[in-house]
Amino acid sequence: SQQGEEDPQALSIQEGENATMNCSYKTSINNLQWYRQNSGRGLVHLILIRSNEREKHSGRLRVTLDTSKKSSSLLITASRAADTASYFCATRGISGGYNKLIFGAGTRLAVHP
Amino acid sequence: DARVTQTPRHKVTEMGQEVTMRCQPILGHNTVFWYRQTMMQGLELLAYFRNRAPLDDSGMPKDRFSAEMPDATLATLKIQPSEPRDSAVYFCASGYTIQGDEQYFGPGTRLTVT
Repeated sequence: SQQGEEDPQALSIQEGENATMNCSYKTSINNLQWYRQNSGRGLVHLILIRSNEREKHSGRLRVTLDTSKKSSSLLITASRAADTASYFCATRGISGGYNKLIFGAGTRLAVHP
Repeated sequence: DARVTQTPRHKVTEMGQEVTMRCQPILGHNTVFWYRQTMMQGLELLAYFRNRAPLDDSGMPKDRFSAEMPDATLATLKIQPSEPRDSAVYFCASGYTIQGDEQYFGPGTRLTVT
């Protein structure tokens, strides 16, 4: 089963509004990453937050991580039509040896002009 | 602007035919991943290479799928024989374990098996 589960599955907002997407996971992690996928394209890495970090910023992106609740949120401020895409969280476990990156099902964000 | 490249971008084939997908990772990256994306299953890891050695192919149907890295600039994913249920978008991604944990994805190969 998938490690990361995004919520909501789909989000529709107007340009200029903020968009918040949530990700919950089940097991302890080394880090959590957010990726964006435009329609018909490959995934693009947005931001990585490590298990000992609580918040991280990159431009209009703000990511929080609550390891006690096993959850993360991605906030996109002042959204633009170009932000329309699917957003995925991916988690890296901490067990010994190689831990593959496990992706959630994604949130489809539509930003209307 | 370094990118992962994949060929072909689209492939339509008949059931039973062999399919070969190719990937050129970013120069200098030492990890390569093959993923499959479908609406039903989402993004699934098929195979993982580090320094050209296969480390994890547990997500790959062994009877029909095979993944190789003949050299550092080429990774291949083969399906033989192909089946309609293999229809999906196949992504290759590369990374560099020392510099960071993020993966850089190619544009994908959209495979349709009729």
